[in-house]
Amino acid sequence: GQQVMQIPQYQHVQEGEDFTTYCNSSTTLSNIQWYKQRPGGHPVFLIQLVKSGEVKKQKRLTFQFGEAKKNSSLHITATQTTDVGTYFCAGPWVTGGGNKLTFGTGTQLKVEL
Amino acid sequence: NAGVTQTPKFQVLKTGQSMTLQCAQDMNHEYMSWYRQDPGMGLRLIHYSVGAGITDQGEVPNGYNVSRSTTEDFPLRLLSAAPSQTSVYFCASSFLGQGGTNVLTFGAGSRLTVL
Repeated sequence: GQQVMQIPQYQHVQEGEDFTTYCNSSTTLSNIQWYKQRPGGHPVFLIQLVKSGEVKKQKRLTFQFGEAKKNSSLHITATQTTDVGTYFCAGPWVTGGGNKLTFGTGTQLKVEL
Repeated sequence: NAGVTQTPKFQVLKTGQSMTLQCAQDMNHEYMSWYRQDPGMGLRLIHYSVGAGITDQGEVPNGYNVSRSTTEDFPLRLLSAAPSQTSVYFCASSFLGQGGTNVLTFGAGSRLTVL
C-alpha cells in the first residue's frame, strides 16, 4: 500500500537553531499537506503544496514539494519554543478518489532554551 | 462555530466491552473520517465517509464500525474492545475537494484505554 515516511523521528535543537523534516512517499502525490500537533493537542493544518517544485513560506517556515512530487520538506529557521510539537506530512491515496489522506509517521521537535 | 466536537475525551474499558465514540461537526463538511494515533506510527485512517449514507474503510478498519445517517454526525463503534485498541482517536472533517485536496479539521481527540 501507499507509504509516507518522515525523517527524523525526533529532533532536539537549541532555540535559534534551524530544523528540517523530510517526507518521502512511495508513490507520486497529487498534493501534499503539512500539519502541526502541539503536545497533548490535535493536528492543525499548516499548508498544502500542489505543484511540482513548489516552494511556500510562512514567516520562518519554508515548505518544498519535490520535482517528482514524491517528497517534501519543512524547514524552520531560527526555532523558537513555540515551534515545539510534532510535524506531519500527509498525501492523498492514489485509490479512493484521493479522499483518503495517508499521514507520515511525524517528526517530534523539541526546542531547548 | 464549534468545529469538530468529540466525546468522550477519556474512556477506560474492559476487554470485550462495547462503546461508541461520538463525532459531530457544524461546518457542513461532506467528508468525515476517523484516525487513530499510536506512538511512532503517526495517524492511521480507520474509516471515512464522503456523505450521509456513504462509508468506506481506511487502513485499519478491523474491530470498528461506522455509520453516517446525517451530514453532521459520524460515530465510531467498538463492538468488543481489545487492548490493541488502546489509542488516541481523532475525528476529522473537510469539504470534498477535487483530486484529493481535502484540508482536514480535527477534533480534540478521545483517549481510550482498554484493560
